[in-house]
Amino acid sequence: AQSVTQLGSHVSVSEGALVLLRCNYSSSVPPYLFWYVQYPNQGLQLLLKYTTGATLVKGINGFEAEFKKSETSFHLTKPSAHMSDAAEYFCAVSDGATGNQFYFGTGTSLTVIP
Amino acid sequence: ETGVTQSPTHLIKTRGQQVTLRCSSQSGHNTVSWYQQALGQGPQFIFQYYREEENGRGNFPPRFSGLQFPNYSSELNVNALELDDSALYLCASSLVPVESYGYTFGSGTRLTVV
Repeated sequence: AQSVTQLGSHVSVSEGALVLLRCNYSSSVPPYLFWYVQYPNQGLQLLLKYTTGATLVKGINGFEAEFKKSETSFHLTKPSAHMSDAAEYFCAVSDGATGNQFYFGTGTSLTVIP
Repeated sequence: ETGVTQSPTHLIKTRGQQVTLRCSSQSGHNTVSWYQQALGQGPQFIFQYYREEENGRGNFPPRFSGLQFPNYSSELNVNALELDDSALYLCASSLVPVESYGYTFGSGTRLTVV
């Protein structure tokens, strides 16, 4: 079975500071990994995904994530936080099995302090 | 291209009643999934439809059922509503294989059961 753990349900950073949101996964097969962002009263928007190939993945809005198999991690980073980055962030894993079920973490709420 | 649209945006129902939620997939997408997001939690997979057939199901009872229509739109039906069914219901569409493309999510239907 697949699962995702997001360490830190709330993260606060100053505007311009590094953003680091942690995600660890459990998967019995090579995983497919995703980061989604959710703004208040909205659905989830895909930030980036790892399927195969390069382990450093670049996404929208300056975010990137690195797949580290040895650490079973897929942490999300952004060099410089903007006020508009304040939102809920979800990490998800899929094993590509029938049904294409995505397993989501419980989310990390990012606050950006001016 | 149009995104995923869901209706209604908000709904209040009484325990024991039945509810139908609707979703129009993003143009060109041929698979649709439904997720339940309880307050403060990550989305939980309900089921997926592909070619008008249920293609996978999460840990939800049979009173949760769905349909996918030839135009790839979809419905989620919930019978005998319980208080714990109160949540944001998210519709997500994609091309297959979903793990390669990732889901496009709608903004959701907020269901409150009283």
